[in-house]
Amino acid sequence: GQNIDQPTEMTATEGAIVQINCTYQTSGFNGLFWYQQHAGEAPTFLSYNVLDGLEEKGRFSSFLSRSKGYSYLLLKELQMKDSASYLCASVDSNYQLIWGAGTKLIIKP
Amino acid sequence: IAGITQAPTSQILAAGRRMTLRCTQDMRHNAMYWYRQDLGLGLRLIHYSNTAGTTGKGEVPDGYSVSRANTDDFPLTLASAVPSQTSVYFCASSDSASQGGDTQYFGPGTRLTVL
Repeated sequence: GQNIDQPTEMTATEGAIVQINCTYQTSGFNGLFWYQQHAGEAPTFLSYNVLDGLEEKGRFSSFLSRSKGYSYLLLKELQMKDSASYLCASVDSNYQLIWGAGTKLIIKP
Repeated sequence: IAGITQAPTSQILAAGRRMTLRCTQDMRHNAMYWYRQDLGLGLRLIHYSNTAGTTGKGEVPDGYSVSRANTDDFPLTLASAVPSQTSVYFCASSDSASQGGDTQYFGPGTRLTVL
């Protein structure tokens, strides 16, 4: 079957670094997305990885290991506005997205 | 530039009533999607359309129907609402449905409560 797992909730301190993990089992894997969703708002695109390795985009980086079925989102220099849910989604053989339930990130001062 | 708009923003509906959620995009995207989002669950695909004139069933299509008469509009209809359809509904679009890296852009959502 197809499955995405990510932690339900994480807490971190302002200014620190946090890593949000995502594991997936997806038939015909065609890449992995990370989206950010603030409470009561729509998801917004953060990153897409299809090849193994780390992609850096400002304070946010995303990593993919296809052989391990594993990805993580790394957030540096955390700000209060980073408090949100982070959604991991894999792309299956039909180019449809399989979504995780999301990780709620709480930032404390 | 509006992107994707959805209407209504929220709605309370009596069980058994018919309801259409509207979705319009101005990005000339070929593909459009309807998802529902429930607490503790990931986004679940209800229906999708790869291009105007075609539609397909997603993971949870029962009780819902869609149409795609043109590129811009993708309405979702609940023929006879039931309480289990209480959810937040998101419409999304992407330039293409046949490329793995095509980003989906989401509308603001419709919060629907069925009593």
